[in-house]
Amino acid sequence: GAVVSQHPSWVICKSGTSVKIECRSLDFQATTMFWYRQFPKQSLMLMATSNEGSKATYEQGVEKDKFLINHASLTLSTLTVTSAHPEDSSFYICSARPSGREHDTQYFGPGTRLTVL
Amino acid sequence: KNQVEQSPQSLIILEGKNCTLQCNYTVSPFSNLRWYKQDTGRGPVSLTIMTFSENTKSNGRYTATLDADTKQSSLHITASQLSDSASYICVVSHLSGTYKYIFGTGTRLKVLA
Repeated sequence: GAVVSQHPSWVICKSGTSVKIECRSLDFQATTMFWYRQFPKQSLMLMATSNEGSKATYEQGVEKDKFLINHASLTLSTLTVTSAHPEDSSFYICSARPSGREHDTQYFGPGTRLTVL
Repeated sequence: KNQVEQSPQSLIILEGKNCTLQCNYTVSPFSNLRWYKQDTGRGPVSLTIMTFSENTKSNGRYTATLDADTKQSSLHITASQLSDSASYICVVSHLSGTYKYIFGTGTRLKVLA
C-alpha cells in the first residue's frame, strides 16, 4: 500500500516550453502533497506544499508563477514548469500525505528527470 | 535554525562489511526521525521511523538508533550487499502545524565487490 506514482519518469524539452508533471496517490487519498527538487549530489529541497482545493504554499525563493501547482483532487497534484530554461533541469520528486492516518507520514514518488535543452 | 547534518558525506566499503552512518539534528520541536534509502534516479524509500521515546528500530540488516538528549541518530548496516549502494538520508519531522520534513544532506554509500 501507500504507492505514489509520477508521470512522466523523464522528459526532455526545449527552452521556453512548458512541462507538466503529474503526481498520483494510487491507493490512498492525500489532502496534502509536496513537491521537491533535487540537484545532483544534493538532498531534496522543498518547493511547495499542495493542498487539495486550495492554493499551494511556496517556499521562499520559489517563483509561484513559474512553477504552477494544481491539486484538483485527493489523488492528483500537477506541477507545471512554465517557460522552462536549462537551469530548471533537475530531478523533481513529489510526496503525498495520507488523509487522516499517521498525519505526518509522506510517501514519495519515483521522481521525474527534467532536462531543458 | 532547524538543521540536519549527516556524516560522512560519502563512504566506500567492501561487500560483507558493516558500516554506521551518523545524523545530528537541531530541529525543535521534534516529532520523529526517519532514515530513507535513495537509489540513483529514484525517489526515497523509508527504512525506519522513530519517535523521541524510541532508542532503536530495526528493519532487516538496517538498525537505527536515536538519542533524543544529544539529538543524534545513527544507521547501522550489517553485512553490506552491493545493492546497499545508494544515498541514505536522515529526515527529521518538525512538530509544527505542517509537520514539515527537514532533510539531511545524505551519505552516499558505495559497496564494492
